[in-house]
Amino acid sequence: GAVVSQHPSWVICKSGTSVKIECRSLDFQATTMFWYRQFPKQSLMLMATSNEGSKATYEQGVEKDKFLINHASLTLSTLTVTSAHPEDSSFYICSARDLASGRINEQYFGPGTRLTVT
Amino acid sequence: GQSLEQPSEVTAVEGAIVQINCTYQTSGFYGLSWYQQHDGGAPTFLSYNALDGLEETGRFSSFLSRSDSYGYLLLQELQMKDSASYFCAVRVPPADRGSTLGRLYFGRGTQLTVWP
Repeated sequence: GAVVSQHPSWVICKSGTSVKIECRSLDFQATTMFWYRQFPKQSLMLMATSNEGSKATYEQGVEKDKFLINHASLTLSTLTVTSAHPEDSSFYICSARDLASGRINEQYFGPGTRLTVT
Repeated sequence: GQSLEQPSEVTAVEGAIVQINCTYQTSGFYGLSWYQQHDGGAPTFLSYNALDGLEETGRFSSFLSRSDSYGYLLLQELQMKDSASYFCAVRVPPADRGSTLGRLYFGRGTQLTVWP
């Protein structure tokens, strides 16, 4: 199946700093990627839809100025958590679908990035 | 908005059969998916139902009734390695015309524990 990678796998940062998380589709092109966050033992919450070459579409209640998304190429989307606070500590997961594979209903997830803000 | 309901926990013994139910309310609906997630890992795709009926893939089967806004995941011949969280997820239309892909919203997950 298609592979989605994320970097870093974990990061610890101080309150008030910004953190960038990269999401890459390794063996396919993804014009659209999705960003989720997940708290321990809870569901995956969709944050935004990242569209290559255009602005991301944010879900209701997600601050676009706090969670900056850039989808500059067909294989890379980045999520920047700006002015991070402890409540932003979470597991951030990106996801994409490989439309060229024929398996269009499968959504592939990256391994996630554990963010801890101290 | 979207809301999905599924049981929080299910336990069973090896070799048994387990059914995890999911009911949903959505504005717009393309289909129902199921994902498996082991602790600390990425969700992995199990199945997708766009039409009513049963889809079978090996030991796992998934069912959808669009009229009842209901689906289930059936796991047969349970193995210890099946212990994980199972999420139902609805696929709904994209937020705007900037994207051609529907969005996936997840339920809260069902923690399955398989005992020897």
